[in-house]
Amino acid sequence: GAGVSQSPSNKVTEKGKDVELRCDPISGHTALYWYRQSLGQGLEFLIYFQGNSAPDKSGLPSDRFSAERTGGSVSTLTIQRTQQEDSAVYLCASSLTPFSNQPQHFGDGTRLSIL
Amino acid sequence: DAKTTQPPSMDCAEGRAANLPCNHSTISGNEYVYWYRQIHSQGPQYIIHGLKNNETNEMASLIITEDRKSSTLILPHATLRDTAVYYCIVRNTGTASKLTFGTGTRLQVTL
Repeated sequence: GAGVSQSPSNKVTEKGKDVELRCDPISGHTALYWYRQSLGQGLEFLIYFQGNSAPDKSGLPSDRFSAERTGGSVSTLTIQRTQQEDSAVYLCASSLTPFSNQPQHFGDGTRLSIL
Repeated sequence: DAKTTQPPSMDCAEGRAANLPCNHSTISGNEYVYWYRQIHSQGPQYIIHGLKNNETNEMASLIITEDRKSSTLILPHATLRDTAVYYCIVRNTGTASKLTFGTGTRLQVTL
């Protein structure tokens, strides 16, 4: 399929470990977004990329969270020294352009569980 | 971005039209209305969006009132697979903008 692909689909790790989450956007999409959804809560914006640059990082909850995008395509979200409150579904979305007349298309997320 | 108000839940019989309302009374002229849905354990799925005119695609129709203060998403022939949480979102035009999801409407399609 040509949709947004995220890996791994599930990740269980111990508190204090670092994790990397990967997002492959739809081919040709220049804008890429990361969100997270905690149990029983709504989607929370984390960061947005246009190409390899991140003009909006306002949603990253702490300096333990970082993200990068290379080649204008794949993005990785890294969480260092994970805490139990980091447990959530991390969702990636991409759109053809960053402008709001273009819909964002989501992957099925990575379910992260911190023990 | 303008806030939206949706009923927390609705039921619809299979085969009937599902009409999901959304109030966005503070919408400004440069904000789009977007609809997404989320089926359990999946990422949100884009359905449709519009600015002023009514829109239709293979999934649904979007009816926006003339004053743009409310809209209705119509699923013409609901099936059990349409059971999901439906989100109405308004989004500013022209600038790169995140989606701000509210609590949505949980639509239950029944036999």
